[in-house]
Amino acid sequence: EAQVTQNPRYLITVTGKKLTVTCSQNMNHEYMSWYRQDPGLGLRQIYYSMNVEVTDKGDVPEGYKVSRKEKRNFPLILESPSPNQTSLYFCASSETGHGRGEQYFGPGTRLTVT
Amino acid sequence: AQSVTQLDSHVSVSEGTPVLLRCNYSSSYSPSLFWYVQHPNKGLQLLLKYTSAATLVKGINGFEAEFKKSETSFHLTKPSAHMSDAAEYFCVVSDGGGSYIPTFGRGTSLIVHP
Repeated sequence: EAQVTQNPRYLITVTGKKLTVTCSQNMNHEYMSWYRQDPGLGLRQIYYSMNVEVTDKGDVPEGYKVSRKEKRNFPLILESPSPNQTSLYFCASSETGHGRGEQYFGPGTRLTVT
Repeated sequence: AQSVTQLDSHVSVSEGTPVLLRCNYSSSYSPSLFWYVQHPNKGLQLLLKYTSAATLVKGINGFEAEFKKSETSFHLTKPSAHMSDAAEYFCVVSDGGGSYIPTFGRGTSLIVHP
């Protein structure tokens, strides 16, 4: 089954404790991205990747890091989480590499930083 | 630059009546436009997309949208609402004008009354 998986689905952590949210897709897609969803703000893109070893900032990259060492994986790293990073996070992938294609979304990771 | 405005944060309809969710966009290029649906505690799923082919686009579950360049609109419609249509709907624009970052609207919550 074609899908995007994220882990963990739920995470509660404390300020400053480094964490990683994993994302994996099995569709051989070139384009992957991370979004955060906050009430009343829709989804905002954090980082995107056009292909392996190619990443770039989205609209809200501050406080986040990503890496793309393999085509299928695109982990999101919070090196020193803060309470304002409490949010619902989605990973997505797309066959086309320019952001204009249909995106396939993971189920989401709900992060709480206390 | 690109932007998208969903004109209603909430839309309430009765089951069996028509649905209209409004979306206006701004783009300096020829945009790709999408509607996604998010059911409670789920990821986003593509409803339909416009990519410069036919201006009337048919999607899944009986939804359709019409691209109107003169009005810069891409409204989502359905002739008859079903209880299962209750969800959050997002309009998305991506014009590829040097930016590979799709822009999401803030979402419209569709409420369906029995």
